[in-house]
Amino acid sequence: GESVGLHLPTLSVQEGDNSIINCAYSNSASDYFIWYKQESGKGPQFIIDIRSNMDKRQGQRVTVLLNKTVKHLSLQIAATQPGDSAVYFCAEEETSYGKLTFGQGTILTVHP
Amino acid sequence: GAGVSQSPRYKVAKRGQDVALRCDPISGHVSLFWYQQALGQGPEFLTYFQNEAQLDKSGLPSDRFFAERPEGSVSTLKIQRTQQEDSAVYLCASSLEALRTDTQYFGPGTRLTVL
Repeated sequence: GESVGLHLPTLSVQEGDNSIINCAYSNSASDYFIWYKQESGKGPQFIIDIRSNMDKRQGQRVTVLLNKTVKHLSLQIAATQPGDSAVYFCAEEETSYGKLTFGQGTILTVHP
Repeated sequence: GAGVSQSPRYKVAKRGQDVALRCDPISGHVSLFWYQQALGQGPEFLTYFQNEAQLDKSGLPSDRFFAERPEGSVSTLKIQRTQQEDSAVYLCASSLEALRTDTQYFGPGTRLTVL
């Protein structure tokens, strides 16, 4: 992962807005990517994943986009709610058994 | 059903003390991972177990760090002669099998503070 100390990127939105969180990954050989949500005092929680043979995958209120050309992932959250406030991390799986390399987190704050 | 649990949730140690952090994975999960998360950063891989076998310990920062999973279920991460730079949240995760695409379920972590 990249080290950015305490200065994580932040995104502030109003309740009901759509949110887009971006992530750059480092390993062009990675073929499986995951987004995690981490609330204060808790461990990361799986949100959605995508394989490298796809460029888009949708879940409930969330969509992940993958651009392998520029090694970029994004997470779109529709109709953002206050309960979505958390730190969001992208992660790459680099091994056959699932070792994760996490990217830089983004702090999402949703205002009522 | 119960998720991954970790104990203690908080640990304060004086520099030089040894600590032991426990992880109870989801029952039946084959894979178990330990990660270290410094303040304001993403988790970083420490080590991986498949059942009782430690197959990857490439992320352990020094020989002061030792992990075990003797019966293929509960795991313990031990840190000897703790130093201030060991202060972090230690996360444990488990997954059902040993596949790249298995979802990893994380515990709440143990926050270690070394004074």
